[in-house]
Amino acid sequence: NAGVTQTPKFQVLKTGQSMTLQCAQDMNHNSMYWYRQDPGMGLRLIYYSASEGTTDKGEVPNGYNVSRLNKREFSLRLESAAPSQTSVYFCASSEAGQGLQPQHFGDGTRLSIL
Amino acid sequence: DAKTTQPPSMDCAEGRAANLPCNHSTISGNEYVYWYRQIHSQGPQYIIHGLKNNETNEMASLIITEDRKSSTLILPHATLRDTAVYYCIVRRRSNDYKLSFGAGTTVTVRA
Repeated sequence: NAGVTQTPKFQVLKTGQSMTLQCAQDMNHNSMYWYRQDPGMGLRLIYYSASEGTTDKGEVPNGYNVSRLNKREFSLRLESAAPSQTSVYFCASSEAGQGLQPQHFGDGTRLSIL
Repeated sequence: DAKTTQPPSMDCAEGRAANLPCNHSTISGNEYVYWYRQIHSQGPQYIIHGLKNNETNEMASLIITEDRKSSTLILPHATLRDTAVYYCIVRRRSNDYKLSFGAGTTVTVRA
């Protein structure tokens, strides 16, 4: 029972490099999300996709792009990585339902940018 | 969404029930109470949610007071694997999808 799968689990980048974080869910959920979690700051929403074919900015979208490839997959791209983007990135999914459906999370990608 | 208040930490003995309180005195009639937890180095995990009736699932029970100003999450037989930060969140139907976790309660289950 995989749920939400994120790859890679760990990554180290140099400043200016680009990278795509992958996320896939097998729960047939309509909505998908990308969060970042920094020490002592809690979760912050980067982008979300309420349904296949749509994406919207969250609280902290600058420096990121997303692609909702199909219903299962939602990727997050860093075009030119910066040290401030060092964080743990979580992908989540939920059924559609105007914010009331529980979100189910992956185990995160730990990203360090030197 | 209404503000919630939780104790910063609590200990629990393995095999005993853990009762986690949450105060949400400004909750509105259309707002739901959700509980999530985050075990160290893992993603947040949804536990349970409710509007006004008590709820139970395979993980926990949620008791909401009649005036809805507070609630209690009950882990009936705590295990060491239940050691985590537990978050109480209040949400209502809206187009705001982000989950905002407060500081939560750090629960330590001791053998």
